[in-house]
Amino acid sequence: EAGVTQFPSHSVIEKGQTVTLRCDPISGHDNLYWYRRVMGKEIKFLLHFVKESKQDESGMPNNRFLAERTGGTYSTLKVQPAELEDSGVYFCASSLEVRNSPLHFGNGTRLTVT
Amino acid sequence: SQQGEEDPQALSIQEGENATMNCSYKTSINNLQWYRQNSGRGLVHLILIRSNEREKHSGRLRVTLDTSKKSSSLLITASRAADTASYFCATSPMKTSYDKVIFGPGTSLSVIP
Repeated sequence: EAGVTQFPSHSVIEKGQTVTLRCDPISGHDNLYWYRRVMGKEIKFLLHFVKESKQDESGMPNNRFLAERTGGTYSTLKVQPAELEDSGVYFCASSLEVRNSPLHFGNGTRLTVT
Repeated sequence: SQQGEEDPQALSIQEGENATMNCSYKTSINNLQWYRQNSGRGLVHLILIRSNEREKHSGRLRVTLDTSKKSSSLLITASRAADTASYFCATSPMKTSYDKVIFGPGTSLSVIP
């Protein structure tokens, strides 16, 4: 089966610009998660979709971040406007079940805001 | 706040030796998972252990869970250079009806050939 794919793998933008990250989960996985790792620190939870619904978005840092999952398939994470502290690696993961199910991760998008 | 925390932060061993990493957490959990991350790649799931389980094995990996001490350990036996990676424990709090997987800061393992 195809794994979780993320696009782009790298993105360099200037402060104030907008960037949209995309994640395609494993087919059939209703659960989709976004995480980010900033400056090599811990991997922080951003939000969790079950199909197209946001189950938990408690980790979203502020209203400059908008995640969508229209139709319950792929997801996008938009940062608008980007700030310097948004630089980091953004990971997407998907899982089959909502409980006791391993997460399958993409390779991440490395975002650099200059 | 951080749920799980690995110990040590970094570990360097010779190929063939065993590597042990520990994870401590604060609140009651539904399950605990271990993941590996090679540089520049995504995380790879290793083992999931439920709160009512005490030990699980997968190949050269052995995971234990002690809920009374709120701790887990990951043992890699007969290590290989290819095991060099960062290892993360991740916990899902009991209080949620779904898995909210929270990661610790990780242990960086170096296996010297």
